[in-house]
Amino acid sequence: QKEVEQNSGPLSVPEGAIASLNCTYSDRGSQSFFWYRQYSGKSPELIMFIYSNGDKEDGRFTAQLNKASQYVSLLIRDSQPSDSATYLCAVNKSGGSNYKLTFGKGTLLTVNP
Amino acid sequence: DTGVSQDPRHKITKRGQNVTFRCDPISEHNRLYWYRQTLGQGPEFLTYFQNEAQLEKSRLLSDRFSAERPKGSFSTLEIQRTEQGDSAMYLCASSLAILALQETQYFGPGTRLLVL
Repeated sequence: QKEVEQNSGPLSVPEGAIASLNCTYSDRGSQSFFWYRQYSGKSPELIMFIYSNGDKEDGRFTAQLNKASQYVSLLIRDSQPSDSATYLCAVNKSGGSNYKLTFGKGTLLTVNP
Repeated sequence: DTGVSQDPRHKITKRGQNVTFRCDPISEHNRLYWYRQTLGQGPEFLTYFQNEAQLEKSRLLSDRFSAERPKGSFSTLEIQRTEQGDSAMYLCASSLAILALQETQYFGPGTRLLVL
């Protein structure tokens, strides 16, 4: 089982719709969860992070975490064509000397005008 | 622009040559990370520094790879005797050690390496 799994997509949504991106992780010791956006040929750009169960909202983005189910998601409301990118889920165990991020392969999102 | 810079942005080299990449983190950040990303994959952790100390290295980091962070500022990643399999985007990220759960890593633009 891979440590962080994401649907590779592509996920296609019409402009103005809600895009839902999902991620599962295998290590119950994971404590912090991150969503990065990566445009083609560019480096990852942090969108938001979450570490408590429940929802966290930031503008059009909402991250949801369910540690019991080992599941984290990102909702993008009012999707725009500029949101078309690969979305990377990353987890961090935190604590001790283990601060590295473990990434999924990413989900390619296409927002159609 | 996150404030993390990397140089060069692109490097083409022949197999067997040595290459060195540089990363300048956000100035107040004390942690610095190197990742490698190949097409269709997420970034994979290579190594990490806290100040000048290299605290963790991935099994991916063969003995041809070496990283330094003298004086806890910029970092260099050197690959000796490059192989075609080393072709990838090399990403540097930095973070500030605060509350562990809220520590976030910011990525530089990356160095894209092509080994012919």
